[in-house]
Amino acid sequence: DIQMTQSPSSLSASVGDRVTITCRASQSITNYLSWYQQKPGKAPKLLIYAASTLQSGVPSRFSGGGSGTDFTLTISSLQPEDFATYYCQQSYSSPRYSFGQGTKLEIK
Amino acid sequence: VQLQESGPGLVKPSETLSLTCTVSGYDIGSGGYHWGWIRQPPGKGLEWIGNIFHSGATYFTPSLKSRVTISLDTSKNQFSLKLSSVTAADTAVYYCARDAPYGGNTGTDYWGQGTLVTVSS
Repeated sequence: DIQMTQSPSSLSASVGDRVTITCRASQSITNYLSWYQQKPGKAPKLLIYAASTLQSGVPSRFSGGGSGTDFTLTISSLQPEDFATYYCQQSYSSPRYSFGQGTKLEIK
Repeated sequence: VQLQESGPGLVKPSETLSLTCTVSGYDIGSGGYHWGWIRQPPGKGLEWIGNIFHSGATYFTPSLKSRVTISLDTSKNQFSLKLSSVTAADTAVYYCARDAPYGGNTGTDYWGQGTLVTVSS
């Protein structure tokens, strides 16, 4: 099984800050990596797929990078609506997937 | 595309959890995508359970494989999850979703709203 590890598990930041969340795979997954945003009581929302492709309708302040085993999700200037939990997901072993444990982004 | 989960919100220990996902806006029998189930225990992260292709081929996470069944009813545009021998550890919000095509790299793009299933006597 491919294990996904995110860091940090939680993060405090202020509106306007630039933040980066990291996701590491236990083996190379080339670019088969997606990022999701989840707000309390809601279903996850796809932000980025193929490591760096922005899903339609997602603001351009979100960006993704990386390949192989190490990936990043960056929010260039935090907005109030961005405070949520973020998950990475690998699809290299498609159609079997696995998620990272999540990163909770909180207001400082 | 819209997905909606339905099923009992309370299941007794050792019994079988059964949920159905009704899809609108896309003909699941036309192929192209996998249709999956993901769960989230209260206060915890997401766990991928498994998915099904229009051919009926199914794939499961190893830790649940012995207890999970996923089936497809193309006439109703629905797919279903059955999880047997449940315990309190299976208490979670269960989501149905549209996974990427086979070998695809487009993410899980549509999700249901989720339904809480509690395992308790």
